[in-house]
Amino acid sequence: GAVVSQHPSWVICKSGTSVKIECRSLDFQATTMFWYRQFPKQSLMLMATSNEGSKATYEQGVEKDKFLINHASLTLSTLTVTSAHPEDSSFYICSASSLAGREQYFGPGTRLTVT
Amino acid sequence: KQEVTQIPAALSVPEGENLVLNCSFTDSAIYNLQWFRQDPGKGLTSLLLIQSSQREQTSGRLNASLDKSSGRSTLYIAASQPGDSATYLCAVFDNYGQNFVFGPGTRLSVLP
Repeated sequence: GAVVSQHPSWVICKSGTSVKIECRSLDFQATTMFWYRQFPKQSLMLMATSNEGSKATYEQGVEKDKFLINHASLTLSTLTVTSAHPEDSSFYICSASSLAGREQYFGPGTRLTVT
Repeated sequence: KQEVTQIPAALSVPEGENLVLNCSFTDSAIYNLQWFRQDPGKGLTSLLLIQSSQREQTSGRLNASLDKSSGRSTLYIAASQPGDSATYLCAVFDNYGQNFVFGPGTRLSVLP
């Protein structure tokens, strides 16, 4: 089956610094990648949708200047949390879909802790 | 706007029992519906995918049904095991929004 990887799996950073999370589709071309965020005991919430080569579409309430998404190739999307604050601590999950299948394949997630 | 709900929010059963998890959605115009499993702190594992034209899918001890007209799906787990303990999420692929809308999940505990 299709495999999506994320790196790093967990990261701890200090308040005010920026953190980059990578999402890669390992064995298929992902025309669309999705970024989700999950706070403890809450459901997964979509943050943004990115299509290769174009700007990401952000969900309402998600600050696009704070969460920078780049989808420069068909196998890689990055999420950069800029000037991170403790309230940004969360579990970030990406998913990817190819044009053909529409099924989303999920990465293992990245646990971000901002101190 | 599509909304997805899941009942019950939490469920605790003894090992060996058969159980049913319920998922409801408000807009029947969906492309597909997926059931996921999430272990604490981990990413989602896709369990079953049901296309909008299908009525059910089976994988091992799992069976998922879909009644699009009534906006309901059920996940049936046979002969539950302690290893089945996890949070189960259903999500509909919204044909309009081109993305998933998730339910809040059901936390399942299977007691040995």
